Amino acid sequence: DAKTTQPNSMESNEEEPVHLPCNHSTISGTDYIHWYRQLPSQGPEYVIHGLTSNVNNRMASLAIAEDRKSSTLILHRATLRDAAVYYCILSSGYSTLTFGKGTMLLVSP
Amino acid sequence: DAGITQSPRHKVTETGTPVTLRCHQTENHRYMYWYRQDPGHGLRLIHYSYGVKDTDKGEVSDGYSVSRSKTEDFLLTLESATSSQTSVYFCAISAAGGGNQPQHFGDGTRLSIL
Repeated sequence: DAKTTQPNSMESNEEEPVHLPCNHSTISGTDYIHWYRQLPSQGPEYVIHGLTSNVNNRMASLAIAEDRKSSTLILHRATLRDAAVYYCILSSGYSTLTFGKGTMLLVSP
Repeated sequence: DAGITQSPRHKVTETGTPVTLRCHQTENHRYMYWYRQDPGHGLRLIHYSYGVKDTDKGEVSDGYSVSRSKTEDFLLTLESATSSQTSVYFCAISAAGGGNQPQHFGDGTRLSIL
């Protein structure tokens, strides 16, 4: 399975934008880039996914590099509720999700 | 929020006893999954189902069995629970199995085997 690399942790201030990076240099042409997050004591929550083009939804934006070897999850205005572990995952065909250790996002008031 | 209900939410039991966890969905999604989450390991797939009576093994399937007799229910059974199966168990669903399909997760079952 193609793997992803994320920083262990990042910090942000409330109401500021947050850019969470993910490297996936061995991505294949059929791999979708998924982002999930997990708040303390809760199940993972789907955030966004994309293949080649940048994607936006009500939660976040996903910026995908032109060569697809990296991507960035953008939270436009961080809130305290956005403090969570964020997982960047590649998925293709009928493969299931493989969760790594993710990035722990700390948000300060 | 996706209509996923896991039961029980918490359970404490003894080594050697059988345990069954239930995942119920109201979304009529074809795919259902069972994961476990342990400190230092992240989420790991146990089994998944791609339709009624169609199941397959995941990364950590030893000691677990599953059944899916109806679209809405996916059961995870520990035939003879061991302390190493103490974990938080999450059920997930997706409409289909391709890479373009997001998964939606339940709130988890915290299982303690004494």
